[in-house]
Order: sequence, then C-alpha cells, then structure tokens
Amino acid sequence: DSGVTQTPKHLITATGQRVTLRCSPRSGDLSVYWYQQSLDQGLQFLIQYYNGEERAKGNILERFSAQQFPDLHSELNLSSLELGDSALYFCASSVEGRSLHFGNGTRLTVT
Amino acid sequence: GEDVEQSLFLSVREGDSSVINCTYTDSSSTYLYWYKQEPGAGLQLLTYIFSNMDMKQDQRLTVLLNKKDKHLSLRIADTQTGDSAIYFCAESIRGGSQGNLIFGKGTKLSVKP
Repeated sequence: DSGVTQTPKHLITATGQRVTLRCSPRSGDLSVYWYQQSLDQGLQFLIQYYNGEERAKGNILERFSAQQFPDLHSELNLSSLELGDSALYFCASSVEGRSLHFGNGTRLTVT
Repeated sequence: GEDVEQSLFLSVREGDSSVINCTYTDSSSTYLYWYKQEPGAGLQLLTYIFSNMDMKQDQRLTVLLNKKDKHLSLRIADTQTGDSAIYFCAESIRGGSQGNLIFGKGTKLSVKP
C-alpha cells in the first residue's frame, strides 16, 4: 500500500459531461502529481501541485483543471469529456525532491 | 523532444535472469527510474539511479547506466512468477522536479514456470 488514496476506482460517464477525481496524498507529502495512462499515449504527466500551489504543467488539456486544498488533498476536474479521454488517471505524491508514490488510479470510461 | 523507448514484451523462464532495456534522450536527466505495474494497481517504484552512477544493485535488481549511449537496463536475477508485470523506465523532465517524469511505454514481462 503506497498510502496514496484515489477515489472513485471506476467512473463511467457520457461524452460532454464533467467529472471530478479525488486524491489523498501520503501523510506528510506536500507534492501531488496527476498522470494519465492510455493505451496509445502511455503515461503522461499532467500537472503538479505543491502545498496548494501549481508547480508544473505537462500535457494537460484546457478542458482539464486541478487544485490542491489546504488539507493537501487534490482534485482533477475533467470537463466536456470526449471518448479519447477514457484512460487511467493516476495521482502520485512525494516529499519534495524525493521519489513518487502512486495511487491505484481511477479508471475513466467515456461512452 | 524528450523520449523514452523500451521494448514492449519480454518472456523468460522462472529462475532465469531478465534484462529489460531502455533508451532515453535527455542527457541532463538527473535521475532515471524503474517502476513496476501489476494488473489493477498503480506504479511501484523499484529503484532509481543518479546520472553520475554507472551501476546500482539492490538485492535481485541490478541497474546499469551507459550515459554515453543513453541506455539504461534493469536486470532481475532468479526471476519469479511474481515478477510478471509491466516495467516502466522513466527519466526526469529537463528542468523539472523529480516527480515530473517521462515514461516509456512499458515492457510486459511474462515469466513462465
């Protein structure tokens, strides 16, 4: 168990809808990272937050946004969903400058 | 741009050694990583190596780094059926923190009894 909790485990929704994925980092970790894993693109870094502030952006679409709250949990919001957004979304956390610990992911299916 | 390449499949017999190879492009990467992903689970960090090292050994795992050729390998000694999983090579993104990683597509290791 990595100590990183993601909810829900599975999510099925329709095109055009909006969903929110939730992540609770390991106790003491200030950094939260979001990654998308799809069959064609593999694992792609989306965004990083550190202690509530955005730290780095990767290949995140404008339809996607994230935030990190004062209690350090993070949410990834995906809107105007398209079929191609179907993927596994992973959250990871770390102590700054140390290695990542991944959650088990949320599997999103857009129909 | 930055890219990480690895072969997609590897099949070995139980008890043999497995060698998973990876090439990367960013010579300024500070850290290079190996992660393991079992079905239905997240990625588990196996080991990492600093870019100024040539080799790192951790129990059954040996990582070799050839900076000149930008080649990284993971050797698993005495491979067991429990080692069956997808193995990802990753490098840290130029100028990014250690968590901003570029991953390869993963090598699926199948271990036959």
